[in-house]
Amino acid sequence: ILNVEQSPQSLHVQEGDSTNFTCSFPSSNFYALHWYRWETAKSPEALFVMTLNGDEKKKGRISATLNTKEGYSYLYIKGSQPEDSATYLCAFRVRSNYKLTFGKGTLLTVNP
Amino acid sequence: EPEVTQTPSHQVTQMGQEVILRCVPISNHLYFYWYRQILGQKVEFLVSFYNNEISEKSEIFDDQFSVERPDGSNFTLKIRSTKLEDSAMYFCASSDRTNQPQHFGDGTRLSIL
Repeated sequence: ILNVEQSPQSLHVQEGDSTNFTCSFPSSNFYALHWYRWETAKSPEALFVMTLNGDEKKKGRISATLNTKEGYSYLYIKGSQPEDSATYLCAFRVRSNYKLTFGKGTLLTVNP
Repeated sequence: EPEVTQTPSHQVTQMGQEVILRCVPISNHLYFYWYRQILGQKVEFLVSFYNNEISEKSEIFDDQFSVERPDGSNFTLKIRSTKLEDSAMYFCASSDRTNQPQHFGDGTRLSIL
């Protein structure tokens, strides 16, 4: 059974703070790691698809790194804004199938 | 930007009834998926569909469930003989290739009474 863990479960930061959270996944048979941003009452929005060990991806103030050998990915948000408040989900995919296995998410609240 | 659309946004059904959840994937996408999230739990995979057939399904996706692509645009999930534990948010997703992001719809909240 594949298990994807995210920490922390929730996080409160002040506007302007930089923050990061972790996604842990099985290191064997790795194919891809997806990050999503999910605002309440909206659809999950794809942020990154990461496939290579050592990958770093960036989208505006958000960036992510990937370590497939030890089975973790970090998501960083620089200078958090209230509009960054959302649940950040990671999802793991193995080589042999199509499905994404999701973590439970990190709920980020950015206070103005 | 093209998006995945799902209808209805909320469906309330009596236990034992059949429901059909509808999805219109992004038009040039070839891979289609259904996921669900029971309240307080993780988003979990149900089924993937490619080239007019199921490519993978989870252990949840038993004979109670079926999927269909009846025409060139719609992708449906049918749940027969609904049970209380089928109450969840059901998400449709699509992608143009398997190594690309899966784009999600807003979901259908299914409530079984």
